[in-house]
Amino acid sequence: QQQVKQSPQSLIVQKGGISIINCAYENTAFDYFPWYQQFPGKGPALLIAIRPDVSEKKEGRFTISFNKSAKQFSLHIMDSQPGDSATYFCAAKGNRDDKIIFGKGTRLHILP
Amino acid sequence: ETGVTQSPTHLIKTRGQQVTLRCSSQSGHNTVSWYQQALGQGPQFIFQYYREEENGRGNFPPRFSGLQFPNYSSELNVNALELDDSALYLCASSLGGPGPGSTDTQYFGPGTRLTVL
Repeated sequence: QQQVKQSPQSLIVQKGGISIINCAYENTAFDYFPWYQQFPGKGPALLIAIRPDVSEKKEGRFTISFNKSAKQFSLHIMDSQPGDSATYFCAAKGNRDDKIIFGKGTRLHILP
Repeated sequence: ETGVTQSPTHLIKTRGQQVTLRCSSQSGHNTVSWYQQALGQGPQFIFQYYREEENGRGNFPPRFSGLQFPNYSSELNVNALELDDSALYLCASSLGGPGPGSTDTQYFGPGTRLTVL
């Protein structure tokens, strides 16, 4: 059973456009929702994270929108750049342990 | 760079063999977690160690085991390798102790690519 569902699997966006990646979860015990960015040959790196007591968090060009009632959250990348081309993972962590549950990832390609 | 290193970078083994993967955490990071990332998938939690004790385990069989040492290094051991064990193995270290509400950032290493033939 996949606890964090991520879509789309791949995404192509023009330079300067907005990239949007969506995730949904089932477990209401999740209380921390990070997004990771992974480049080929590298480990995942924390990009931005949110807790369910806020509906939006913005850091630079990256914004997380969180809908607690729908159990959905999304990553928006504004003014997407070719350097943003990578695989993005949404994730969730419960309030009882430190296990991070990852989505299957979205391969983002920004056209120059 | 995260300051987390892993060795070796790549490894090829045959089915039934045993393998040891190594990780060096950031200095001062007491918690290390190990993940398995199959090709095209997200990382899956194997287990976590805090101050040299196992602190949580994912859905992996006992032939996956680990050790954490006082010098911030750790090992992942896999016995009786199977073809499906082929994956990228990631370790991640974090500063604080585990527990409810912990949001300590986990810093990932570059991983070890294991191929089982």
